[in-house]
Amino acid sequence: GAVVSQHPSWVICKSGTSVKIECRSLDFQATTMFWYRQFPKQSLMLMATSNEGSKATYEQGVEKDKFLINHASLTLSTLTVTSAHPEDSSFYICSAALSGLPGTEAFFGQGTRLTVV
Amino acid sequence: EDKVVQSPLSLVVHEGDTVTLNCSYEVTNFRSLLWYKQEKKAPTFLFMLTSSGIEKKSGRLSSILDKKELSSILNITATQTGDSAIYLCATYIYNQGGKLIFGQGTELSVKP
Repeated sequence: GAVVSQHPSWVICKSGTSVKIECRSLDFQATTMFWYRQFPKQSLMLMATSNEGSKATYEQGVEKDKFLINHASLTLSTLTVTSAHPEDSSFYICSAALSGLPGTEAFFGQGTRLTVV
Repeated sequence: EDKVVQSPLSLVVHEGDTVTLNCSYEVTNFRSLLWYKQEKKAPTFLFMLTSSGIEKKSGRLSSILDKKELSSILNITATQTGDSAIYLCATYIYNQGGKLIFGQGTELSVKP
């Protein structure tokens, strides 16, 4: 199956700093990627839809100025958590579907565990 | 509002038992329903069920889609400790290129 690579797999940062997480589709082009957040013992919650060459679409309640998304190419989307605080500590996962094939399985990155101290 | 609901939220069984996990959905323009297994990291794909493929099986795992009842079940027979994980059910939102809505997940614990 298609491969989505996410980096880093874990990161610890100080409160007030920014962290960038990368999501790459390795063997296919993804015009759309998705960013999810998962708190312990909870399900995946969609944060935003990342669209190549245009602005991301954020879900209700997600601060777009805090979670900056850039999708500059068909194989790379980045999520930057700005001015991170301890409550931003979570597991962040990206996913992508094969372009032009709606309804196909979504492929997930390995996830990034962010800890803000 | 589109939503996916799973039950039970948690389940503890012993090795060798058979378990059934439930998923119900309310989404406009349903396309497909997916099951994932999540251990410590990102979810791994198990099955995708659509109107043209309402039953899938792989080894000890099987899944059925009931379009009339807007639900799906995931069966695991002869459970093993390695089956311990969170099982997630999700549906696609029509025409939004891969956007998934997830249920809360069922945390399965298989005891030796």
